[in-house]
Amino acid sequence: AQSVSQHNHHVILSEAASLELGCNYSYGGTVNLFWYVQYPGQHLQLLLKYFSGDPLVKGIKGFEAEFIKSKFSFNLRKPSVQWSDTAEYFCAVNGRSGNTGKLIFGQGTTLQVKP
Amino acid sequence: DTAVSQTPKYLVTQMGNDKSIKCEQNLGHDTMYWYKQDSKKFLKIMFSYNNKELIINETVPNRFSPKSPDKAHLNLHINSLELGDSAVYFCASREESVTGELFFGEGSRLTVL
Repeated sequence: AQSVSQHNHHVILSEAASLELGCNYSYGGTVNLFWYVQYPGQHLQLLLKYFSGDPLVKGIKGFEAEFIKSKFSFNLRKPSVQWSDTAEYFCAVNGRSGNTGKLIFGQGTTLQVKP
Repeated sequence: DTAVSQTPKYLVTQMGNDKSIKCEQNLGHDTMYWYKQDSKKFLKIMFSYNNKELIINETVPNRFSPKSPDKAHLNLHINSLELGDSAVYFCASREESVTGELFFGEGSRLTVL
């Protein structure tokens, strides 16, 4: 079955702390991987995506993620979070072949950054 | 200019009513989607259209009927609304490439009383 699992449901950090959000997926075949962010009351925005090449991808606002194929993981990291990073974070996957673009999302992780 | 726009942003209605949510994208994309985000923030795909043709229809009650008059518009009509339909509905469109990301609208929060 196709699924995405995000390990942390609610993370609370102080400003300047380092962040790592876990994401594992189950999907047959070659995949594209995404991290989306949803700021309070707003729509989902793409943080970063992986489709091929360097498994370490860099996104906007200082975020990066590493694709580890052997572990079926795509963890999101940021060395030093800011209060403005408070948001909901979603990991998502779709298949490369016969790609209808259908994204399968994880349950989301709520990140709360304390000033 | 808003790339993917939805109306209305908020909708409060009674059980049993019929309502519609409209979506328009000005990105020139061929594929559009409806996703439902429940109270636990979980996002699940409902429908997808490619150039006015239905290509994804997940297990959704037939009270939900999408309509795509042209490739820039994908509307969602819901008949006989139920309490469980309360959610945020997101429209999205996709650029045409193997790795194309989805661009989301701002969401339409539906509350059924």
